Amino acid sequence: KNQVEQSPQSLIILEGKNCTLQCNYTVSPFSNLRWYKQDTGRGPVSLTIMTFSENTKSNGRYTATLDADTKQSSLHITASQLSDSASYICVVSAMGGSYIPTFGRGTSLIVHP
Amino acid sequence: KAGVTQTPRYLIKTRGQQVTLSCSPISGHRSVSWYQQTPGQGLQFLFEYFSETQRNKGNFPGRFSGRQFSNSRSEMNVSTLELGDSALYLCASSALPSGADNEQFFGPGTRLTVL
Repeated sequence: KNQVEQSPQSLIILEGKNCTLQCNYTVSPFSNLRWYKQDTGRGPVSLTIMTFSENTKSNGRYTATLDADTKQSSLHITASQLSDSASYICVVSAMGGSYIPTFGRGTSLIVHP
Repeated sequence: KAGVTQTPRYLIKTRGQQVTLSCSPISGHRSVSWYQQTPGQGLQFLFEYFSETQRNKGNFPGRFSGRQFSNSRSEMNVSTLELGDSALYLCASSALPSGADNEQFFGPGTRLTVL
C-alpha cells in the first residue's frame, strides 16, 4: 500500500531560525514528489516539484531534497518568518497511466516572534 | 489572471441530502482535480477531469461523482450525505493532465458541514 509519513507532526520555532521537515514514502513506482504550504483556511500552494532524477530544488528560502534510494525527502526552511506558520504537506505520486497522489498528513509549523 | 474559484465557500446540509459544489479553473486550464480534506484522514484524491473526461478516480464510494463542462468548469456532487462527509473540498486546476511536473493551483475550498 502506498504511504507517505511526515515528521514531526508539529513544530514550534523562533523567528529567524532554520528548520527541517521530513517525508518518508513507500509509493512505487515513484514518479514525483511535491511539497505544499497550506495556510489555515486556504488551499495548498505548491513549493517544489521533484522527479526521480532531481535531488535538490529550491524556491526562495525553501529547499527540498530527495533521496530516491532511501525514499526520503526533506524540506528545509531558512531564516524563518512569521508568515511561514502553516501546514506543510508532502505528496508523492506513482508512475503509470493513472495519476493518483498519496498525501502525507502534514507538519504544522508555528513560528513565534 | 484570476485564480481558481470555488462556490459556495461554506455549506450546511443534513444527512441524506445531496450537494453540488462548483469549481472554475484558471483561464486556459483544462484539468480539474477534486480533493477531500478532513482532520482525521488529511487530504485525499477524489477524481480528475480533463477535457470533459474523467481521467482518474480515487477510492471513494459512488455517492461522489463529478463532471466537467466544455468551458472547463467542474462540478462535484455528493448524494445521500453522511456525517463523515463533513470536510473541506478542494479543487485544483492545471494546464495539462496531472503528471510528473505539471503544477496544480488550488482553490480556497468549500467547507461542507453535514448535520
